[in-house]
This record gives sequence, structure tokens and C-alpha cells, in this order.
Amino acid sequence: DGGITQSPKYLFRKEGQNVTLSCEQNLNHDAMYWYRQDPGQGLRLIYYSQIVNDFQKGDIAEGYSVSREKKESFPLTVTSAQKNPTAFYLCASQMWGGEEKLFFGSGTQLSVL
Amino acid sequence: EDKVVQSPLSLVVHEGDTVTLNCSYEVTNFRSLLWYKQEKKAPTFLFMLTSSGIEKKSGRLSSILDKKELFSILNITATQTGDSAVYLCAVDRTGANNLFFGTGTRLTVIP
Repeated sequence: DGGITQSPKYLFRKEGQNVTLSCEQNLNHDAMYWYRQDPGQGLRLIYYSQIVNDFQKGDIAEGYSVSREKKESFPLTVTSAQKNPTAFYLCASQMWGGEEKLFFGSGTQLSVL
Repeated sequence: EDKVVQSPLSLVVHEGDTVTLNCSYEVTNFRSLLWYKQEKKAPTFLFMLTSSGIEKKSGRLSSILDKKELFSILNITATQTGDSAVYLCAVDRTGANNLFFGTGTRLTVIP
């Protein structure tokens, strides 16, 4: 079955630590996105990538980094510069045409120890 | 600055009630408006609306767009406990590479 797989489901970060959230898709989608969701704030865009080896900052990119070395994979690193990382992180991919604009993974809940 | 505002922020109803969720927007280069349902983790697509006045319907859910007054509503009739979720409204803009999301409405349906 095609889909987006995010791992881990839960992640804990210590002070000063970088952590990486995984996102893999087998939908052959070109574009991939990372969103952050905080209570009462909806989804905010962190980074997106439309093609391999290219990515763009979203609205809240500070303290995060990404890579897109393969079409299927778009990992997100939460660096120690991100002072308030506790949130729910959603990865999404996009197929062109059709009505369903974004297809989401099941998310990673990141908490600070 | 682009804005998508959903109301109410949260809502509690009894099974069998009918609910109306609102989404208003002020964005440049509007192309379409989308509704998603987020039950636990992954949001799932409900509707995409591009034309004013044309209702989209799926079972007990329906939605309509008013491009003159810049809003959309999502109606759920005969609510069930399985309708409990966060409902997200998002706007697609011409020339933009991502959807712009509202804050969501948390709906709780109690037996």
C-alpha cells in the first residue's frame, strides 16, 4: 500500500541535542512538506521541497534543517537552536492534479526532557 | 498578510445534532479552499471547493464556498461520536507552493 511513513511516533529531546524526524513516501510524489502543529495554532509550514536536492524555507524555519537526497525521503532535523521544539510534526506530500492536495503522515510528537 | 480564520475554535454537541463550522479567508490570489478532518494524527481530505455556490456533499457532510463574502461552511448533519475531530480549513493560492491553514475547529460529539 502506498503512503507516508513518519518515525518515530514519539521522540524526546534533551537540552542542546539535535534530533532527526524521518519521513518516507512511496507515492512517487514530487513535493514534500513539514508542518508543525501546536494546540490552537493549526498547521504552520517549516520547510518544503518540490524536487530532489532542492528545498525552501517556510514560515517558521528557524532552528530546523532538512535534506532531500532522494525523492522518497525528506528528514527534518530539529536543532538545539530551536528553543521551543515541543509540538506535533506532520510530514506531507503532494501529487499534481486531482482534488487531494496533500497526503499526510501520522505525525511525530516531540517533547523536551 | 494572508489570513484564514476558523470559528468556533471548539464545539461540543450531542449525537444527532447538526453543526456548522465556519472558515473565512483573506488571501491574495485565491485558487481553492480545502477541508480536512484530523481525528488523531494524520489529517484526511474531505473537500476541495473552487466555485461559489456549488455544494459538495459526502454522506452527512457538505460544504459550500462564497467567494464574494470570502468564507466557506462545513455542515455535518446527524452527528455521530465518530465525527469528533479537529476540522482544518486551508487555502490554496495561485503562485504559492503550499497550503495556508486555519487554526482548526475541535468538534466533540457526546453520546
